[in-house]
Amino acid sequence: GAVVSQHPSRVICKSGTSVKIECRSLDFQATTMFWYRQFPKKSLMLMATSNEGSKATYEQGVEKDKFLINHASLTLSTLTVTSAHPEDSSFYICSATTRGGQETQYFGPGTRLLVL
Amino acid sequence: QKEVEQNSGPLSVPEGAIASLNCTYSDRGSQSFFWYRQYSGKSPELIMSIYSNGDKEDGRFTAQLNKASQYVSLLIRDSQPSDSATYLCAVENSGNTPLVFGKGTRLSVIA
Repeated sequence: GAVVSQHPSRVICKSGTSVKIECRSLDFQATTMFWYRQFPKKSLMLMATSNEGSKATYEQGVEKDKFLINHASLTLSTLTVTSAHPEDSSFYICSATTRGGQETQYFGPGTRLLVL
Repeated sequence: QKEVEQNSGPLSVPEGAIASLNCTYSDRGSQSFFWYRQYSGKSPELIMSIYSNGDKEDGRFTAQLNKASQYVSLLIRDSQPSDSATYLCAVENSGNTPLVFGKGTRLSVIA
């Protein structure tokens, strides 16, 4: 149980285009989803917290107009990287928490973004 | 500012030995503690969770928690080369708040 999927797993795009990444909880309802970014050989960096039906909470330094997050249902959150630039190339990973106390975060497999 | 500290390593152990990974945290109110394993180029996967003081065993893995010392550890018995990865300690203060991750300890098991 507690499977989280991401789509696409890998994307290459031209500079200036927008890319949408989907995160789905397959076998549970996720009250909260989180979006992380990880550069090569670096630590996970939390970008934003997304609660179903409400606006995402962004971490300091993360531009909310550039990284649009929509959490439309208890099983789906999307991250759109708008007007992507080469410096946005990274490994984007989502995670989701189950309902109930002492929630555990389960990670999706990640999306590798390369902006040319 | 909640902080989770881990030795970055690399920690090298011979195959068959016990690997000991340590983590300290700053928020005394923390309630939930997790160990994740991350292979290079992959996303983290949950190995263990622990919520109360003492030891919790699952196969070759044992998590140990000491809330008084604000210390959590992971022991891997009979280490295998396939255990070579970065191990992330994560701490949660209350439900639906983001986990605070350590920077991870890189473990290398030498055959």
